[in-house]
Amino acid sequence: EAGVAQSPRYKIIEKRQSVAFWCNPISGHATLYWYQQILGQGPKLLIQFQNNGVVDDSQLPKDRFSAERLKGVDSTLKIQPAKLEDSAVYLCASRRLGGALDEQFFGPGTRLTVL
Amino acid sequence: GQQVMQIPQYQHVQEGEDFTTYCNSSTTLSNIQWYKQRPGGHPVFLIQLVKSGEVKKQKRLTFQFGEAKKNSSLHITATQTTDVGTYFCAGLTGGFKTIFGAGTRLFVKA
Repeated sequence: EAGVAQSPRYKIIEKRQSVAFWCNPISGHATLYWYQQILGQGPKLLIQFQNNGVVDDSQLPKDRFSAERLKGVDSTLKIQPAKLEDSAVYLCASRRLGGALDEQFFGPGTRLTVL
Repeated sequence: GQQVMQIPQYQHVQEGEDFTTYCNSSTTLSNIQWYKQRPGGHPVFLIQLVKSGEVKKQKRLTFQFGEAKKNSSLHITATQTTDVGTYFCAGLTGGFKTIFGAGTRLFVKA
C-alpha cells in the first residue's frame, strides 16, 4: 500500500511569513496526526483528527497554527505568521481505526526553516 | 501534565556491545509503542506492548512493559551498525493520547 505523502519536503521562509503543509494519509486510515519535531527531540503532537473531527488540539498554538481535514482524507497545516522557534520537521502520521495495533505510519516530513 | 521520560539521551557503543533504553511514564499507560528513526528519516513502528509485565522479542531486540504499566525498556543484544538511529517510546494514555519520549540516540562504532 502507498505510504503517507507529505509536501513540500523542505521550506525556507522568513519570520512573519505564512506557510502551509499538506498531508495525504494511507487510504482508509481514519486517524491523522500532525507532529512537530524539533531537532534532538521527540515528536510533539500538535493535532489529532478522527475522520474530519478534531480529537485533540491541546498543544496547537492556535494564535498562529491552524489545521483542517475537510473531507476526512487529506489535511493541511498552516502557520501564520511564522516565528523563528517554528523551525522544525513537521510530521504527518495516520492510523487505522479499530484493530489491535495503534501503529502510526509516518510520512517523510516537511523540514521548515524560519529565518 | 502527563509526561514520558526516556533515558539515556544518547549512547555510544562498540559494535557487538549491548544497548538498553528506558522509558518512564508519569501515569499508567494503556499500551506502549516503540519506534525507530534513522538519521534523516521518519519514525517507523517496531512493536506494541499492552499487557502488564509483557515481554516481546524481535531477533536481537527485547521489549518489556513494566508490571505497573508505567515503564518500559528496549534492549538490543550485540549491536550492529544497522542499529544506528534514535529509539522512541510512545505511551498511549487512558485519555487516548499518544505521548512520545524524547528518544535515545544510539551510535555504533564498527
